[in-house]
Order: sequence, then structure tokens, then C-alpha cells
Amino acid sequence: EIVLTQSPATLSLSPGERATLSCRASQSVGTYLAWYKQKAGQGPRLLIYDASNRAADIPARFSGSGSGADFTLTISSLEPEDFAVYYCQHRSSWPWTFGQGTKVEIK
Amino acid sequence: QVQLQESGPGLVKPSETLSLTCTVSGGSISYYYWSWIRQPPGKGLETIGYIYSTGSANYNPSLGGRVTMSVDTSKNQFSLKLTSVTAADTAVFYCARRGQLMYLDLWGRGTLVTVSS
Repeated sequence: EIVLTQSPATLSLSPGERATLSCRASQSVGTYLAWYKQKAGQGPRLLIYDASNRAADIPARFSGSGSGADFTLTISSLEPEDFAVYYCQHRSSWPWTFGQGTKVEIK
Repeated sequence: QVQLQESGPGLVKPSETLSLTCTVSGGSISYYYWSWIRQPPGKGLETIGYIYSTGSANYNPSLGGRVTMSVDTSKNQFSLKLTSVTAADTAVFYCARRGQLMYLDLWGRGTLVTVSS
């Protein structure tokens, strides 16, 4: 199965700062990659699909880029509600797998 | 709007079968793929499998054939059975919809299942 490795494990930033999260795949997944946000006690929410497309109702401050094996999620200016855990997930082959997550915490 | 709700026992004994149901409200279960995902405490997400509304399913090989999923369109529900559970199966279990974008675009709130005697 394809292993997704996210970095860093934790990102400590202040509101208004820019967040850059990385996801690296053990083999190419093309652009079949999504990003999810998870807040404590909730199910994940789809943010980005096919590497760079924002899902419905997702603010423009969220953007995704990359292809092949290297992907980035950027939050241009952190809002208080953005402090959460973010996961990448591929659908290139079965089984779909997730990265281990990046926690974005308030500095 | 469409909502998903997991239900089932919160405590299962080792070697027994874990059974969960996901109820889909506000929309039809037909013509979509439906998935189960689990998250052990403090850990990441693992896909268990998915099932189409007609009943065809695909399971994660890492679970070694212990998984069965089913769908009941008359009740707008789909279900998960995981046999021969151990403490390692303790997790929050989520049901989710694979939407037209081919990703998991709708999730339940999750239900914690603890495996313990």
C-alpha cells in the first residue's frame, strides 16, 4: 500500500500567519490526493480534492498544490477556527491511505 | 442536508464481533459508495472498506478477512461487522460517503468502540 508521510508533525503559529503543510507519498499518486481538517470530537472535513481543488464552501485562504509524490497545503492567513489537525489522503489505488496528520496549534 | 449517524455498542469483548450501523438521513443511500474509517485513540485514520448501494464491497487487506459490510436501502442504512476483535481494534469508527468528487465528502461524528473484557 502507498504510505503518506506528513510533515511537520506539529506546526506552532499565530493567527494571521501562513501555514505550509507537506505530504509525501511512497510512490506517485498522480493528483489523486485530498486534504481534510479535523477538529477534536468531530469527523474530518474535506478541504481540497485532486491536489488543488477547493471543496464546496471552503475559504480561498486554503490552497493545495503538487503532483506525483509531493504535495502542499497552504493556509495563507490563519483564522482561529483553522487550528486543528490536517490529514492528506490518496485514492490512487486500494487501499486508500491517510497521512499521520499535522497538528496546527496556536503559538 | 444529508447527515450520517453511527450507532452500536460502545464496548465489545475480545474475540467477539463488533457491529455498527450508519444511518443516512436527509438523502438517499442509493447511487453512492459508503465507507467505514477508524481512528485508534491518539492515532491517524485507517480505511476499513467501502460498499456501493447495490451491495458490492471492497475491504482493506490489512484486516485479514475479518470485515463484512452490508447495505439496507429500505432503511437507508449500511453496516459493519468486524470479527475476532482484540484490544488493537479499539478506535473511533466513522462512517462516510464517497461523493461525486470521489473523495470522502461527508462524515459522521464517529463512535468510540472499546474492546475489553
